[in-house]
Amino acid sequence: GQNIDQPTEMTATEGAIVQINCTYQTSGFNGLFWYQQHAGEAPTFLSYNVLDGLEEKGRFSSFLSRSKGYSYLLLKELQMKDSASYLCAVVDSNYQLIWGAGTKLIIKP
Amino acid sequence: GAVVSQHPSRVICKSGTSVKIECRSLDFQATTMFWYRQFPKQSLMLMATSNEGSKATYEQGVEKDKFLINHASLTLSTLTVTSAHPEDSSFYICSARHRDYEQYFGPGTRLTVT
Repeated sequence: GQNIDQPTEMTATEGAIVQINCTYQTSGFNGLFWYQQHAGEAPTFLSYNVLDGLEEKGRFSSFLSRSKGYSYLLLKELQMKDSASYLCAVVDSNYQLIWGAGTKLIIKP
Repeated sequence: GAVVSQHPSRVICKSGTSVKIECRSLDFQATTMFWYRQFPKQSLMLMATSNEGSKATYEQGVEKDKFLINHASLTLSTLTVTSAHPEDSSFYICSARHRDYEQYFGPGTRLTVT
């Protein structure tokens, strides 16, 4: 079966750095997305990785290792508004999105 | 760019009635749109994949006669919840595929069935 694993919840301090991991086992791989979702709102696109390596976009970076079936989202200089759920999703061989359950990130002052 | 709108944002209806939700891609054409349902504190659940001009593909366990999907144009898909029941109360979110495999989401529709 297809499976995506992410931690259920993480806590970090304002101004710090946090890394949210995602591991996947899917039938094929055509890219990996990270989305941010605030409570009661729809997800918003953060990043897309299809090749190995690190993609940096402002305070957010995303890393992919296809051989390890592993990705992480790195958030720097955390702000209170970063408190949200972070969803990892993989595009499989049928070009369908397989979603992780999401990681709830709690930022403390 | 890549804006998706959804209407209405909130709707309350009585049990047994039908509700239509619209999803529009405002600044791009989307041959494929997706409908998701999300219950509180749970992840997105894909309900169906909608391709313009053809019948939607429903996920296992989703009743196609209850959740009617129409994708009549490259910028509009609709989801109609027929004979709604309280257990259909949920957050319904659409998304549209833009370039490669990026998906942009609408703001969601919160449906409450009384």
